[in-house]
Amino acid sequence: GESVGLHLPTLSVQEGDNSIINCAYSNSASDYFIWYKQESGKGPQFIIDIRSNMDKRQGQRVTVLLNKTVKHLSLQIAATQPGDSAVYFCAVRGGTSYGKLTFGQGTILTVHP
Amino acid sequence: ETGVTQSPTHLIKTRGQQVTLRCSSQSGHNTVSWYQQALGQGPQFIFQYYREEENGRGNFPPRFSGLQFPNYSSELNVNALELDDSALYLCASSKEYWGSSYNEQFFGPGTRLTVL
Repeated sequence: GESVGLHLPTLSVQEGDNSIINCAYSNSASDYFIWYKQESGKGPQFIIDIRSNMDKRQGQRVTVLLNKTVKHLSLQIAATQPGDSAVYFCAVRGGTSYGKLTFGQGTILTVHP
Repeated sequence: ETGVTQSPTHLIKTRGQQVTLRCSSQSGHNTVSWYQQALGQGPQFIFQYYREEENGRGNFPPRFSGLQFPNYSSELNVNALELDDSALYLCASSKEYWGSSYNEQFFGPGTRLTVL
């Protein structure tokens, strides 16, 4: 089955720094990847997604990189702000015909002013 | 904020009881997925409903069941509650259609279930 892991459970940065959160997945058939942000007491909030036929996608202050060779994806947040403090999850779709997402454990991002 | 709503916000039950959680999907979405999120963990897929039928299931026992209604809203039912069922239950809605494989799932705020 699919398993999703994260390299670091916590990440602490200074305001204005760039943040990089990493995620590894196990299923080479995975075809769709999403990053979610979850603040305390709230449901996961969609940040950015990428399909397996792409290796990079950019949004507003965020970039997702996908390396299918080593089954790794990362989320880069530019000019990190205190409001970015949250838990970040990568979620992976395993190439099945329905939308089951497998989530990683999460990385706690803390941004210090 | 997404247009996905869940009720109730919090719920306290005792072991052995049954519970029903509700979810209203975002306008235009036809699919609802349910997830269980234990404290400090990532969400785990329970099942998905599409066109009022279960369309995939994770590693959860049959006492976890669901329904989807013609308006695409959904219920999650859990029978014979156990202490380990204490968690945040999330629903996510998406628009699925034949031939489309990449559909964003938008999450509701969740229902916090405590089993005593």
